[in-house]
Amino acid sequence: EAGVAQSPRYKIIEKRQSVAFWCNPISGHATLYWYQQILGQGPKLLIQFQNNGVVDDSQLPKDRFSAERLKGVDSTLKIQPAKLEDSAVYLCASSVQGNNEQFFGPGTRLTVL
Amino acid sequence: SQKIEQNSEALNIQEGKTATLTCNYTNYSPAYLQWYRQDPGRGPVFLLLIRENEKEKRKERLKVTFDTTLKQSLFHITASQPADSATYLCALEKGTGTASKLTFGTGTRLQVTL
Repeated sequence: EAGVAQSPRYKIIEKRQSVAFWCNPISGHATLYWYQQILGQGPKLLIQFQNNGVVDDSQLPKDRFSAERLKGVDSTLKIQPAKLEDSAVYLCASSVQGNNEQFFGPGTRLTVL
Repeated sequence: SQKIEQNSEALNIQEGKTATLTCNYTNYSPAYLQWYRQDPGRGPVFLLLIRENEKEKRKERLKVTFDTTLKQSLFHITASQPADSATYLCALEKGTGTASKLTFGTGTRLQVTL
């Protein structure tokens, strides 16, 4: 079974620029999550989708972050404009509806200069 | 405020010994608690889930305990091996079904030496 795919793996941008990350979850997984993991900390949930609907985006900085999952499969997370404090690893995870185990992708390491 | 605490200092143990990692929480009433393993440059990998009405769960060399009175979970790796070296994250889950949400601790790095 193929795992969660993410791209790019690494991205370096300057502050105030825009960036987008892509995630393809495991086939059949209805629930998709985006997490932000700052160095030395645990992952922090940004947004959770159930199919193409948002379940929880309470910790998403909506003035600069946006995410979509239009067809209920793959998803994109965008930051516009980026700030220095957005430097982190952005992790995508997916799970089967009703199952608590989450499967994580390798993450995208973002560096904002 | 809600808080999840894991020992931020690395735990160094000798091969063959039992490693014990601690996860304490405050101002939570989690329905479940999960443990994940994270290697450098990789995403977390699910290890074990324990429910609030369960005291202990085992899987091969892993054992998790959950004390809702003490608000603490202990994660044990018996007969530890160098390959067990990684960061271990605990995560508390509130809610059920699509409304469930995971909140992670900061993780504890385990180093198993020969």
